[in-house]
Amino acid sequence: AQSVTQLGSHVSVSEGALVLLRCNYSSSVPPYLFWYVQYPNQGLQLLLKYTTGATLVKGINGFEAEFKKSETSFHLTKPSAHMSDAAEYFCAVRGHTGGFKTIFGAGTRLFVKA
Amino acid sequence: EAGVTQSPTHLIKTRGQQATLRCSPISGHTSVYWYQQALGLGLQFLLWYDEGEERNRGNFPPRFSGRQFPNYSSELNVNALELEDSALYLCASGLQGGSYGYTFGSGTRLTVV
Repeated sequence: AQSVTQLGSHVSVSEGALVLLRCNYSSSVPPYLFWYVQYPNQGLQLLLKYTTGATLVKGINGFEAEFKKSETSFHLTKPSAHMSDAAEYFCAVRGHTGGFKTIFGAGTRLFVKA
Repeated sequence: EAGVTQSPTHLIKTRGQQATLRCSPISGHTSVYWYQQALGLGLQFLLWYDEGEERNRGNFPPRFSGRQFPNYSSELNVNALELEDSALYLCASGLQGGSYGYTFGSGTRLTVV
């Protein structure tokens, strides 16, 4: 069964600094991988996804993530944080078997300091 | 194009009562997924419906149930409400079993008192 671990429940960065949110997954074969963002009192919005092909994936709002099979990781980055990036971010994994359900990590809350 | 819509936005119920939550997927999406987001517990998978059938179920008791209608909208029912059922219930729709990701609604905040 697949699982996903997000390292750090809270991350704080200064405006303009690099954002790095870590995600590791457990799966017998490379799964589909996703990052979602949730703003207060809202549902989740898909930031980016990895299915097959290029391992560096670009998403919305300047975010990107790199799939590293050898490290079973899918870390999310953004070169320069904006105040508007403050939100909760969820990494998710969907396997190729096992009922096709998508499993979400516990989430990382990003704080951006002025 | 309308997104995933959920109703009601907020719902307050008394312990032991039943709650009914509704979801309309994006036009063209046949799959609907339900998740529970309780404080401090992340998103927990509840149910997946596709083409009117229940395809998968998470680790929740049978008092959590639902159905999908011919127009692909869905209903989540929670019977015999308990205080710990208080949570944000999120509905999502997607294609290809979710392999392209989900589009989420804004959720129904259920409070059990």
